[in-house]
Amino acid sequence: QVQLVESGGGLVKPGGSLSLSCAASGFTFRDYYMSWIRQTPGKGLEWVSYISATGSHTNYADSVKGRFTISRDNVKNSLSLEMHNLGAEDTATYYCAKVGILYSLDVWGKGIAVAVSA
Amino acid sequence: EVVLTQSPGTLSLSPGEKATLSCRASQSVSRTYLTWYQHKPGQPPRLLIYGASTRATGIPDRFAGSGSGTDFALTISRLEPEDFAVYYCQQHDNSALTFGGGTRVEI
Repeated sequence: QVQLVESGGGLVKPGGSLSLSCAASGFTFRDYYMSWIRQTPGKGLEWVSYISATGSHTNYADSVKGRFTISRDNVKNSLSLEMHNLGAEDTATYYCAKVGILYSLDVWGKGIAVAVSA
Repeated sequence: EVVLTQSPGTLSLSPGEKATLSCRASQSVSRTYLTWYQHKPGQPPRLLIYGASTRATGIPDRFAGSGSGTDFALTISRLEPEDFAVYYCQQHDNSALTFGGGTRVEI
């Protein structure tokens, strides 16, 4: 079945870096835009970034622009998020999602926790 | 940047009652790109409605989306126990996605 599985989360010190991955299966990964969304503790959902099907186009929320980089490997059916200069405000559960019809997010991973703390 | 404001923050209702959730945009948005999600604790969000009013696959017809311009709504005609959750609206424009702050529907 259609599935997204995130990995790579954990605890990192302020100013540190972390890389998240998302393994996709059950659909033709190379045909779809993909996105990262996060939910900070006790708060709502925040869009982080998305990447086009070929990887040629990316965009980021202002809060992460210049610090995060999204990429994809259409051979390995995987999505990545490189995060640098992390701060407490980046502590969140990060979700990988498939961008479906009309920019709706129709498949979501279960999420992975990232904690930024000294 | 479009800001989506959802109201009320919390809706306290009983099973069988009707819920009406509001999503107001800071400027006119295309209804084509207005989406609603349901989010329960410990689970990923679930797509409910896209294109402002089209139910996603498998979504029961008690969920209905409506609206245009700056005012959108999600209506749950008769609340079932499994409908108690947080609901988010989301829009796409200018190569970015934005979410509203969410409405919690509680018993």
